[in-house]
Amino acid sequence: KQEVTQIPAALSVPEGENLVLNCSFTDSAIYNLQWFRQDPGKGLTSLLLIQSSQREQTSGRLNASLDKSSGRSTLYIAASQPGDSATYLCAASTGKLIFGQGTTLQVKP
Amino acid sequence: NAGVTQTPKFRILKIGQSMTLQCAQDMNHNYMYWYRQDPGMGLKLIYYSVGAGITDKGEVPNGYNVSRSTTEDFPLRLELAAPSQTSVYFCASSFNGQNTEAFFGQGTRLTVV
Repeated sequence: KQEVTQIPAALSVPEGENLVLNCSFTDSAIYNLQWFRQDPGKGLTSLLLIQSSQREQTSGRLNASLDKSSGRSTLYIAASQPGDSATYLCAASTGKLIFGQGTTLQVKP
Repeated sequence: NAGVTQTPKFRILKIGQSMTLQCAQDMNHNYMYWYRQDPGMGLKLIYYSVGAGITDKGEVPNGYNVSRSTTEDFPLRLELAAPSQTSVYFCASSFNGQNTEAFFGQGTRLTVV
């Protein structure tokens, strides 16, 4: 049974800081690992998808890495901005798409 | 493309009533998923489908039923609603569930009283 865990549950940082969000999963036989953003009261928006054969993906200030052997992924946000404030969720796909509990990020001006 | 469309957006049910949450996608995606999200929590998978006529249980299927008669539609049925089913329900779809991203609807907020 796939279990996905995200640490920390919440994070508050001043604007401009670089930060790392962590995601771990128990079943390494994944097709891909996805990172999503959720704003309060809204649906989820896909940020990055890392296929099982890849080590990392980048989009703008976001960089996600994947280490299948250790069951870990990290989302790196460079030069954080108040507009980055949201909940970030990771999900591991084995056909089923299983989510972690999310990390709620607050970036203070 | 409208993407993933969920209806209704809000609903209040009385204990013991039944209802169907509708989900439709116009992207010709094979995989579709239903999730529930309780306050301050992540998403829990209820059911998913890898194509028309094929469905399978997720993490929390009890109290729910699904069907997938077409590629486009994946309705979620609640029978005998209970207060524990008060939640926000999200539908999602993906082309093949392996190397393509998932797209989400805007959610249905359900309250059972």
